Amino acid sequence: SQQGEEDPQALSIQEGENATMNCSYKTSINNLQWYRQNSGRGLVHLILIRSNEREKHSGRLRVTLDTSKKSSSLLITASRAADTASYFCATSFNAGGTSYGKLTFGQGTILTVHP
Amino acid sequence: DAGITQSPRHKVTETGTPVTLRCHQTENHRYMYWYRQDPGHGLRLIHYSYGVKDTDKGEVSDGYSVSRSKTEDFLLTLESATSSQTSVYFCAISSQGRENYGYTFGSGTRLTVV
Repeated sequence: SQQGEEDPQALSIQEGENATMNCSYKTSINNLQWYRQNSGRGLVHLILIRSNEREKHSGRLRVTLDTSKKSSSLLITASRAADTASYFCATSFNAGGTSYGKLTFGQGTILTVHP
Repeated sequence: DAGITQSPRHKVTETGTPVTLRCHQTENHRYMYWYRQDPGHGLRLIHYSYGVKDTDKGEVSDGYSVSRSKTEDFLLTLESATSSQTSVYFCAISSQGRENYGYTFGSGTRLTVV
C-alpha cells in the first residue's frame, strides 16, 4: 500500500502547548498535504508542501518534509481548544505520468486540546 | 462546504438495493473524486473523474460505478448494496489534476446498509 501512516494515532494536550504530528509514506511524491477534519464534517485543506521544499509555514502551522526519510511533520503552535480535530496527511504520488491529482490519505491523528 | 454539495446527507438502505449518491459542484473544476472513510482505514479512493465522461477506478472500486455526464455532477452508484459498504462517503473536487493543489471536500453522506 502507498498509504501514509500517521503518528501518533491520538494526541492530548493543554491549550497553549504545541502539537506535533508525523506522517510517513512509501514512494516518491509530487507533494504532501495536510487536512483537518472536525467531527462529522468534511476535510479541510490546511497546507501543501512540494517535494522540492523542506519547510513551509502558514499562520500557526509549520510543515516539514524530509524526502530522504519519506516523512513529514505538522507542528501547530500555541494550540487552542478549537484546534481539536483529526488531522490527515495526504500524498500525491509521482508515478512518472499523469496522476490526475489523486491523493492517498493516512489514517489520521486525533488531536484533543483541553481548555 | 462552499461550491460542493453532496446528497443525501444520510441514507439507510437494505442489502441488495441499488443506491446513488450525488456530488454537485459550482466551481467548474475538472477533477472530481469519491472517497469512503472507515475507522482504521482513513480515506480510500473509490473512483475519480478527470472530465465529462472520463472516469477511472480507484483503490476500492469493486461494487461501485460512477458517471459524469456534465462537469458539475459526479454520481456514485452502489449497484447492489452490501453491509460492507456501510461508510461515510466524501466527494472532493480539484482544479489542478496533474499537480494537485488541494481538494475541496463535500460534507459527506453517511450510508447505512441493513
